[in-house]
Order: sequence, then structure tokens, then C-alpha cells
Amino acid sequence: AQSVTQLGSHVSVSEGALVLLRCNYSSSVPPYLFWYVQYPNQGLQLLLKYTSAATLVKGINGFEAEFKKSETSFHLTKPSAHMSDAAEYFCAINSGYALNFGKGTSLLVTP
Amino acid sequence: KAGVTQTPRYLIKTRGQQVTLSCSPISGHRSVSWYQQTPGQGLQFLFEYFSETQRNKGNFPGRFSGRQFSNSRSEMNVSTLELGDSALYLCASSLVGLVTQETQYFGPGTRLLVL
Repeated sequence: AQSVTQLGSHVSVSEGALVLLRCNYSSSVPPYLFWYVQYPNQGLQLLLKYTSAATLVKGINGFEAEFKKSETSFHLTKPSAHMSDAAEYFCAINSGYALNFGKGTSLLVTP
Repeated sequence: KAGVTQTPRYLIKTRGQQVTLSCSPISGHRSVSWYQQTPGQGLQFLFEYFSETQRNKGNFPGRFSGRQFSNSRSEMNVSTLELGDSALYLCASSLVGLVTQETQYFGPGTRLLVL
């Protein structure tokens, strides 16, 4: 079964600092991976997705993620954090009929 | 295009009651999935509907049910509510489903509180 694990339930960065949110996957077939963001009292918004076309995927709001098969990872990064990036971030993998989500990482951005 | 809409946004019920939540997918999308989000269990897949048929189902008791109409709108019903059913219920739509590696687009959710 396909699954993802997010390392770190809480991450705190200073405004302007690098954001790195970690996600490792487990899959017996080529994976299709996603990062979603959830702001308070809202649904999930797609940040980016990996579908094997390119290992470096660029998403919205300056986020990007790199697929590394050798490390079974799909970490999310942003060069410079903004206060508005404070939210819950979810990594997910397509199981074939549903998304299997990680537990989420809450990103705190401090001034 | 309008996004996925869900009604109501907030709901308070008491144990033993039943509840119906509604979801309207993005125009043209025929696959609708439902997820439950709780602090303890995270995001869990409930079921998926396509062309008015339940195509896939997660590991939830039979108290959780759903249906889809000919216009692709979907409803989910929870009968005999329990305190543990308090959650954010998210609806997601895609053109024909994740079997084609599509993207699912999520609605804002319905927050259900069971007292």
C-alpha cells in the first residue's frame, strides 16, 4: 500500500528564512505525490504535484519540491518564508482511488 | 470556474441524531470523494462516487453513507451520530477519479460538532 510520512509535526522558521518540510513515501509502484496547504477553517489547497514528468516541481506561492527516488523523499521547500505561509501542510500519495495523507506539518513563521 | 462548494459550513448535532452534508463539485467533474479530518486520525478517506455509483469505500462503519445525483452533486449521511464523529468533512472532486492520476480539488469542508 502506498503511504507517506511527514517528519516533524511542527516547524518554526523566521520570516525570510528557508522553509523545509519533509515527506518520505512508500510505494510499490511509481508514486504520484502531492502537497496541499490548509489555512485555518479552510479546505485543502493544492500547492504542487509530482507525476513523473520532472523531478523538480514548482508550485504556487514560491514553493517547490524535489522528488528523490533514491531517498524515497518529496520534501517541500521555499527559499524565503513569509508570514502568510503559516498554515498546515499535508503531503499525500495517490493510492489509485484515494489520497493517503501524512499527519501534517504545522508551519509557524515568526517575525 | 467555481470551486467545490459544501453546505452547510458548520453544524451542531446531538448524539443519536443523523446528519446530511452536501457537496457540489467543479463543473464537469464526475468523481466526488469524501474525507474525514480529525486531530487524532488525520485525514481519512470515506468513499468515492462516480456516475451515481459508489466506486470505492474506506474503512468506516455502515452509519456513514452517501449518494451522488445525475448532476454529480453528492451528499453524505451519518446516522446515529457519536461524539467521535465530530470532525471536518471534506469533499473533493476530479474529472474521472484518481485512477487516472488526476488532481483532486477540495471544498472548504463542513465542520460537524456532535454534543
